[in-house]
Amino acid sequence: AQTVTQSQPEMSVQEAETVTLSCTYDTSESDYYLFWYKQPPSRQMILVIRQEAYKQQNATENRFSVNFQKAAKSFSLKISDSQLGDAAMYFCAYRSYGAGGTSYGKLTFGQGTILTVHP
Amino acid sequence: GAVVSQHPSWVICKSGTSVKIECRSLDFQATTMFWYRQFPKQSLMLMATSNEGSKATYEQGVEKDKFLINHASLTLSTLTVTSAHPEDSSFYICRVKGQTNYGYTFGSGTRLTVV
Repeated sequence: AQTVTQSQPEMSVQEAETVTLSCTYDTSESDYYLFWYKQPPSRQMILVIRQEAYKQQNATENRFSVNFQKAAKSFSLKISDSQLGDAAMYFCAYRSYGAGGTSYGKLTFGQGTILTVHP
Repeated sequence: GAVVSQHPSWVICKSGTSVKIECRSLDFQATTMFWYRQFPKQSLMLMATSNEGSKATYEQGVEKDKFLINHASLTLSTLTVTSAHPEDSSFYICRVKGQTNYGYTFGSGTRLTVV
């Protein structure tokens, strides 16, 4: 079974600064997806960024980028030019790439990191 | 596209009663729906996976008779919390798989309070 670990329960950053959220995972699979989700106080889950394990290039989405280290099983999220609206709980998640089986489509979440943005 | 509607957004019920939560895909066919439970400031825990027209697959430790899941059509799955107790108070959220491998969408969640 896969596990996802976020070792930072809480992080804080000053507005306009950069912050990095850590995530490590454990799997025996070679093909999979990794995600970062944002959950603001409304509790709506919002997809921030997605990375396919077979892609060596790190994914980026505007101010959000990841550092994907497959051998180290590490998947950190960097938020540049932090904004007040970035304040939320962030979850790292893993999904198998497989086309079938009982685990198909399941997401395994980390414990979450609460990000506070100070003005 | 890929809009998911989850209702109600919040509900308060008395202990011992049952509550039904609906998860509906509005503009696509949902072959698979996932139900999660989340306690405050904690992670999402998968409760069960439902496929249209078949019985739901429950995760270990989730009581099938207490959390009834029905996925009768390609656009609707329901989670019924039967004989609710205060410890069932939580945030319940559905996640829906569409027709592409990327097409997963979360519902907006339901906050259940049992008094």
